Amino acid sequence: EAGVTQSPTHLIKTRGQQVTLRCSPISGHTSVYWYQQALGLGLQFLLWYDEGEERNRGNFPPRFSGRQFPNYSSELNVNALELEDSALYLCASSLEWGPGTTEAFFGQGTRLTVV
Amino acid sequence: AQSVSQHNHHVILSEAASLELGCNYSYGGTVNLFWYVQYPGQHLQLLLKYFSGDPLVKGIKGFEAEFIKSKFSFNLRKPSVQWSDTAEYFCAVNLYNQGGKLIFGQGTELSVKP
Repeated sequence: EAGVTQSPTHLIKTRGQQVTLRCSPISGHTSVYWYQQALGLGLQFLLWYDEGEERNRGNFPPRFSGRQFPNYSSELNVNALELEDSALYLCASSLEWGPGTTEAFFGQGTRLTVV
Repeated sequence: AQSVSQHNHHVILSEAASLELGCNYSYGGTVNLFWYVQYPGQHLQLLLKYFSGDPLVKGIKGFEAEFIKSKFSFNLRKPSVQWSDTAEYFCAVNLYNQGGKLIFGQGTELSVKP
């Protein structure tokens, strides 16, 4: 069974540009989570999508946004890129969270470099 | 705000040494607790998790962790580390009624010398 897949694996963008990152969850998983792993800052929660709806959002500016499609895949969009947006962006997926389904599976990430 | 603290940023051990990585969280309500591992060049993998019941949980590869509610701690242990345990370890907290959203600690880089 395929795991969580993310594309692209690496990306270089110029400050001020916009970028879209993509995530395909494990088949059957309805929730998708996005995290930013910046150097020295650990893993920061960005967004949680479930059944096409945004359920929760981390402490990031509005230029970070996303959506979840009917097939449960997801996009993360970042507008007006800044140098400090350089990071590894991780996507995770899970089944509907409950007593028996409590594990999030992570993808390999997209390495974004802003120059 | 809820937070997770991992006391050690970088730990260096020799093979066969015992390991204990500290993790404390700040949240008074019901929590679920996790340890994830990230081997070099690989994705995050779940080591173990605690939801309820026995506060001593066993995970993969000989790791275990103990939940001490009174100390808001969830320390990771392994009696004898191997070179292949070299990786970054993340403690994470999941809060009740927030789905699978995880709040991570800063991570601890473990280097095991052969």
